[in-house]
Order: sequence, then structure tokens, then C-alpha cells
Amino acid sequence: DTAVSQTPKYLVTQMGNDKSIKCEQNLGHDTMYWYKQDSKKFLKIMFSYNNKELIINETVPNRFSPKSPDKAHLNLHINSLELGDSAVYFCASSQNSGRLYTGELFFGEGSRLTVL
Amino acid sequence: AQSVTQLGSHVSVSEGALVLLRCNYSSSVPPYLFWYVQYPNQGLQLLLKYTSAATLVKGINDFEAEFKKSETSFHLTKPSAHMSDAAEYFCAVSGGATNKLIFGTGTLLAVQP
Repeated sequence: DTAVSQTPKYLVTQMGNDKSIKCEQNLGHDTMYWYKQDSKKFLKIMFSYNNKELIINETVPNRFSPKSPDKAHLNLHINSLELGDSAVYFCASSQNSGRLYTGELFFGEGSRLTVL
Repeated sequence: AQSVTQLGSHVSVSEGALVLLRCNYSSSVPPYLFWYVQYPNQGLQLLLKYTSAATLVKGINDFEAEFKKSETSFHLTKPSAHMSDAAEYFCAVSGGATNKLIFGTGTLLAVQP
């Protein structure tokens, strides 16, 4: 039973399209994250939600919009896709109660987005 | 601001040899430090973490790391490399008012037979 699951695993699309990536965790955690990993494997946090409340919002274009309908789900919607959006997007979760005391993040397997 | 620097983007060792992956951190507050491993086409998983308890931390698969405040280092070691250790390894830091994990640029470990 997968702890943090993301769909789709692969996404190939044209520039200008809108796409969504979904994430669900069944660990009962209160905090979820989106990270972007570029072609050089560099990992950068994009967003974090704690109990459906946005607590981290890094310098990310407005075209990226996270949505958390409940604490077990965090989706990422991307408008007007650009070539530079091509990357692997990782969802993660942790039990923090809003503070990163443990740092133990549980990651999904990633969603590889390719923009043509 | 917090940051970590991983020295060496690629490290190659022979099977059975010592593994040493280097990480130096910068933090204005007592840091929490972590090592994560990423196997091909998978997400990251926690190897070990330092959260101000014992300075020598043991993790999964015989990996360990030592927190050295005087050297601002948190190097990862394993006495004997196994082929299955081949993966990307990330050092990370968090702490203080920030509630996010900052990752280093990663070190790709290759294990030669």
C-alpha cells in the first residue's frame, strides 16, 4: 500500500497547455509539500500545506497553483506550460504540526513532466 | 539563511571499500541535518538524521554520519560499499524559524565490482 502516491507518473504535453498532478498520502500526516527536481537533480521546495493551510510559498510563477482539499491530498495545477517547467515534481508529506522538527519527509515516486 | 554544500558531485568506489560522502552546512541556528538517498526513478528516502542528540548518528543499511560543529560538517560514511548502494545521496538542513528542508546538490555514488 503506497504511502505517498502521485498521478500521473509521466506527463508529456505541449507548451501553453494546462495540466494537473495529484498527490495523496495515507500516513495520516498533517503537512504536505511539492518539490521540483531539475535535470541536474537539484531539489527545490515550491509549496507546503499544513492542515490545508498554505505555509510555504517559494518564489514560484503564478502559473503554479497548489490546492489542498483535505490534509491527505495536495494537487498541483500548472497553467500555460513552458519549456522550463520540464522537471520531476515530487510530492512529500511529514508529521510536523507546522514545524519541521523531524525533517523526515516521505516522498512519492515523482511525476516526470516533459513540455514540448 | 541555511545551506548545505556537498563536495563531489560524483564519487566512485569499489565494492567492499569505504564510502565517504562529504557535506558541509551553514546555519545561524543549531541545525537539524539529514541524509536522504534516491534510487533511480524513485523518490527520496531518509537514511539518517541529526537533531541535537548524539553527534554520531546511525542510519539504515550500515550508514552513519558524524556531526562536527567545529568543522560545520556532517559527512556520511559506510565501512563497506555494496553494489546496491549505487544511488544519488542528498544532504539537507533545517532549523530555527524556517520550517523547510534545504537540500544540497546531491552526490552520485557509483560502486564498481
